[in-house]
Amino acid sequence: DADVTQTPRNRITKTGKRIMLECSQTKGHDRMYWYRQDPGLGLQLIYYSFDVKDINKGEISDGYSVSRQAQAKFSLSLESAIPNQTALYFCATSDLPRGPGTGSSSPLHFGNGTRLTVT
Amino acid sequence: AQTVTQSQPEMSVQEAETVTLSCTYDTSENNYYLFWYKQPPSRQMILVIRQEAYKQQNATENRFSVNFQKAAKSFSLKISDSQLGDTAMYFCAFTLRNSGNTPLVFGKGTRLSVIA
Repeated sequence: DADVTQTPRNRITKTGKRIMLECSQTKGHDRMYWYRQDPGLGLQLIYYSFDVKDINKGEISDGYSVSRQAQAKFSLSLESAIPNQTALYFCATSDLPRGPGTGSSSPLHFGNGTRLTVT
Repeated sequence: AQTVTQSQPEMSVQEAETVTLSCTYDTSENNYYLFWYKQPPSRQMILVIRQEAYKQQNATENRFSVNFQKAAKSFSLKISDSQLGDTAMYFCAFTLRNSGNTPLVFGKGTRLSVIA
């Protein structure tokens, strides 16, 4: 089983619909993230959470909301989907940063992505 | 704010040859990490290699190595003996190493095609 699981894998929805993308992880990481990928734009941060009680906006949070239901679960919602939210969405996790010399640099661990199409 | 620039939207290389992907970044901080991620057509994001800014030695992972030039704020990825399976999007990424740590900032990516 994947360490970071995103559901659904693909979704087609209509303009104005509410939609939720779900992410769960078995890595035991405190930190979770939602990124959006558009062709030619790379990955842009939507929201992130450093623990269950912490939610932070990223660079493109407008039109999105999130919920951190538990350490292992972090969901992304589009309250009223619009066509320019058509994109590939990634959930990711990371461990706590460690000091120099320990060899850990807190890389992101990604889910397999959700391809969302808004018509 | 930190930024990451990948100036080559697309590149191609013959199988078994060597290719270098460029990445530059902008920060006023001194302590940070740099990463290269690979995204094959399966769309999975795979960590290729990482570099800690306080280490002068360039990181190496099998056929993948980096040329980290801290003063120039440059972090290029060299792929030796290119294989068809290296065909993918490659993303350079940056994060500060501070007490709070900051989420990764990504470049826009370079699409690499390995040609048989």
